[in-house]
Amino acid sequence: GENVEQHPSTLSVQEGDSAVIKCTYSDSASNYFPWYKQELGKRPQLIIDIRSNVGEKKDQRIAVTLNKTAKHFSLHITETQPEDSAVYFCAASIGGAQKLVFGQGTRLTINP
Amino acid sequence: GAGVSQSPSNKVTEKGKDVELRCDPISGHTALYWYRQSLGQGLEFLIYFQGNSAPDKSGLPSDRFSAERTGGSVSTLTIQRTQQEDSAVYLCASSPGTSNEQFFGPGTRLTVL
Repeated sequence: GENVEQHPSTLSVQEGDSAVIKCTYSDSASNYFPWYKQELGKRPQLIIDIRSNVGEKKDQRIAVTLNKTAKHFSLHITETQPEDSAVYFCAASIGGAQKLVFGQGTRLTINP
Repeated sequence: GAGVSQSPSNKVTEKGKDVELRCDPISGHTALYWYRQSLGQGLEFLIYFQGNSAPDKSGLPSDRFSAERTGGSVSTLTIQRTQQEDSAVYLCASSPGTSNEQFFGPGTRLTVL
């Protein structure tokens, strides 16, 4: 079945610097790749997603890139701010279905 | 409109007791998912309902776990004979039939003493 690996498990960056989180997936039929942000004690919330027919998507300070050949995708956060501190989860669809498999999460800490 | 809601928000129970956790999805969403999140861990898939299809129960960790979805809306996750290792946050999510995006509820924090 689909397997999603996420790295690193923890990441600490200085405020204003960039942060990059990477995920790999195993199912070549996966076609939907969302990223969720979970603040402490809160529910996961979608921050950006990408489909397999595009290679990059941007929304203000966040961007996601997808390499279908290598089966990996990455989240990029630029000009990091303290409010970016949270746990970030990547996910991949099971083929073209709605069901998602999640990575193990990355705890991002922004140091002032 | 209202988002996904779950009740109770917290549940403390004694080992061996049964518990029921409730999820109210966003109105009109055809897909409903249950996940378990242990402290500091990722999202462990439990079960998935899609419309009138048979549910995907492949993530249920044991036969003590079951779930129902009545009338294509509200869902109840039941854990029988709870064990201490069942302690976790149980998250519900729903998505519309036209999209993969999952909208999460606030979760139920279950503590088994």
